[in-house]
Amino acid sequence: AQSVTQLGSHVSVSEGALVLLRCNYSSSVPPYLFWYVQYPNQGLQLLLKYTTGATLVKGINGFEAEFKKSETSFHLTKPSAHMSDAAEYFCAVSDRRPGNNDMRFGAGTRLTVKP
Amino acid sequence: NAGVTQTPKFRILKIGQSMTLQCTQDMNHNYMYWYRQDPGMGLKLIYYSVGAGITDKGEVPNGYNVSRSTTEDFPLRLELAAPSQTSVYFCATGQSYNEQFFGPGTRLTVL
Repeated sequence: AQSVTQLGSHVSVSEGALVLLRCNYSSSVPPYLFWYVQYPNQGLQLLLKYTTGATLVKGINGFEAEFKKSETSFHLTKPSAHMSDAAEYFCAVSDRRPGNNDMRFGAGTRLTVKP
Repeated sequence: NAGVTQTPKFRILKIGQSMTLQCTQDMNHNYMYWYRQDPGMGLKLIYYSVGAGITDKGEVPNGYNVSRSTTEDFPLRLELAAPSQTSVYFCATGQSYNEQFFGPGTRLTVL
């Protein structure tokens, strides 16, 4: 079964600094990869996804992620952090088999943005 | 277009009580999911459904039951609540292996 590992349960950056949230996946078949964001007391919201094609994926709010098959990674970045980016971020993986319903989530990374 | 709605938002149960968490979607998605979220553990899949009348177990189904009589509704039943079921429960909809759309969650405490 597929799985994801998010490196670092907490990340703290200064406003305006680079945001880098790390995600490594394990999958026996080519994966679909996702980043979700969760604001306090809310459900998860999709930031971006990789399915096929271009390995650099752009999402909402200025975030992007790059699928690197050789490194089995899908790290999330943003060039300049904003206070509103403070939230919890989840990486998730599912495989491409038709009818598959098993999306596996990482444990999450809580991002703090300091003024 | 409300998306995915969940009721109640909060609930406190005593050990051994039962309750049903409601989930309704108006996105006309065939697939629906129930997850629980525990601190530092990410989301774990409890049950899912690929369409009306069809349900299947996820990663952590023990202590829960579901039904899917319509496309729109996917209630989650706790029959004998235990403290280990204290969690935040999320319902989601989607299409198979693609992105999922989440409800706002139900925070359940079992004392």
